[in-house]
Amino acid sequence: KAGVTQTPRYLIKTRGQQVTLSCSPISGHRSVSWYQQTPGQGLQFLFEYFSETQRNKGNFPGRFSGRQFSNSRSEMNVSTLELGDSALYLCASRRTGTPATNEKLFFGSGTQLSVL
Amino acid sequence: AQKVTQAQTEISVVEKEDVTLDCVYETRDTTYYLFWYKQPPSGELVFLIRRNSFDEQNEISGRYSWNFQKSTSSFNFTITASQVVDSAVYFCALSEAEETSGSRLTFGEGTQLTVNP
Repeated sequence: KAGVTQTPRYLIKTRGQQVTLSCSPISGHRSVSWYQQTPGQGLQFLFEYFSETQRNKGNFPGRFSGRQFSNSRSEMNVSTLELGDSALYLCASRRTGTPATNEKLFFGSGTQLSVL
Repeated sequence: AQKVTQAQTEISVVEKEDVTLDCVYETRDTTYYLFWYKQPPSGELVFLIRRNSFDEQNEISGRYSWNFQKSTSSFNFTITASQVVDSAVYFCALSEAEETSGSRLTFGEGTQLTVNP
């Protein structure tokens, strides 16, 4: 069974540009979450999608957005990139997305975004 | 607000030594879940264990063991007879058991474990 797949693996952008990252969850998984990992702030929750709806959102500015498609694949978008957006962006999926079950999350290898 | 603290930033041991990674958490919830994840250099977070707040039994899985103590809000992780392949960053994480935040994890800062041959 294939794991969580994130593309691209590496990305270099310049300030002011926008970027779209892609995540394909494990087959059959319906919930997708996104996390940002930086040396200074550590791992921080961005948002979670289930059945094409955003269920939960972390404390990030509106420049960070996402969506989920009917096949559960998800994309996240960052507009007007800033230097501080340089980070490893991790996607995670879980099977049912049922609230409060706290199923374990399966993570992808991430997209390393560098903003110059 | 939830918080997870891993005071040990880096630990270096020699192969076959036992090592304990500390995790202290804060939450106002009575029902919550604790996790440990391993992050090897490849980047993906690998699930190790999940424990709910009502289950204080310690758990052992091979060379790994976990000690959960609600009285001290700690969830420590011990690797027995460490191996070079155990070298990674280890994260402790906490989540609430509420309707709207089911998969939102609050992570600690992580502990970089280096096992030298």
